[in-house]
Amino acid sequence: SQTIHQWPATLVQPVGSPLSLECTVEGTSNPNLYWYRQAAGRGLQLLFYSVGIGQISSEVPQNLSASRPQDRQFILSSKKLLLSDSGFYLCACYRTGALFFGSGTQLSVL
Amino acid sequence: KNEVEQSPQNLTAQEGEFITINCSYSVGISALHWLQQHPGGGIVSLFMLSSGKKKHGRLIATINIQEKHSSLHITASHPRDSAVYICAVDRAGGTSYGKLTFGQGTILTVHP
Repeated sequence: SQTIHQWPATLVQPVGSPLSLECTVEGTSNPNLYWYRQAAGRGLQLLFYSVGIGQISSEVPQNLSASRPQDRQFILSSKKLLLSDSGFYLCACYRTGALFFGSGTQLSVL
Repeated sequence: KNEVEQSPQNLTAQEGEFITINCSYSVGISALHWLQQHPGGGIVSLFMLSSGKKKHGRLIATINIQEKHSSLHITASHPRDSAVYICAVDRAGGTSYGKLTFGQGTILTVHP
C-alpha cells in the first residue's frame, strides 16, 4: 500500500528565512503529487502539482516554489518566508484511482 | 459563489444519530471525494465517487451527477466520528487527477 512521509510535523520560522518541506512516497511509482495549503480558518487550496520528474505546475502566484527531483520526492521551498506563508501544508499523492495525504506540516512564520 | 458548497458548516449530534452532510458543486467533474480531517490535521480519503453510491462500514456516500449534488451519511454516529468532513471535486476534462477544488468543510461533533 502507498505511504506518504512528510516532515517536519511543525516548524516555526522567522520572516525572511528559507523553507524546505519534503515529501516522499512509498509503494507506488509515477504518481501525481500535490502540495496543498490550509490557512487558518480557511479551506484547502492547491499550490503545486506534478505529473512526473521535473514537471511542476503552479496553481496560484505566490512566494513558494516546488521541485520534483525524483519520481517519489516532492519538495516545497521558499527563499524568503512571509508572514502570509503561515499555514498547514499537506502533500498528497494520486495513483490508480486513490488519493493519499501526508500527515502535514504546521508552519508558523513569526 | 464558491464552486463547491457544503452544508451545514457545523453539525452537532448525539451518539447513535443518523447524520447527513451535503455538497453541491457548480462545475463539471470527473470525480468527487469525501475526506475526513481530524484535529491533528491529518486527512484521510473516505470515498471517491463518479456515480451512484458507495458504502464503507457506517459511512455511505451518494452522488447525483445531473443535480450536481452529493451526500455523506453516517449511520449510528459515534464520538470518534467527530472531525471535519470535506467535499472536494476533480474537474472534468483534466488530465491530472487529484487537482481538487475543496469545500469549506463541515465540522461534526458527536456527543456521547
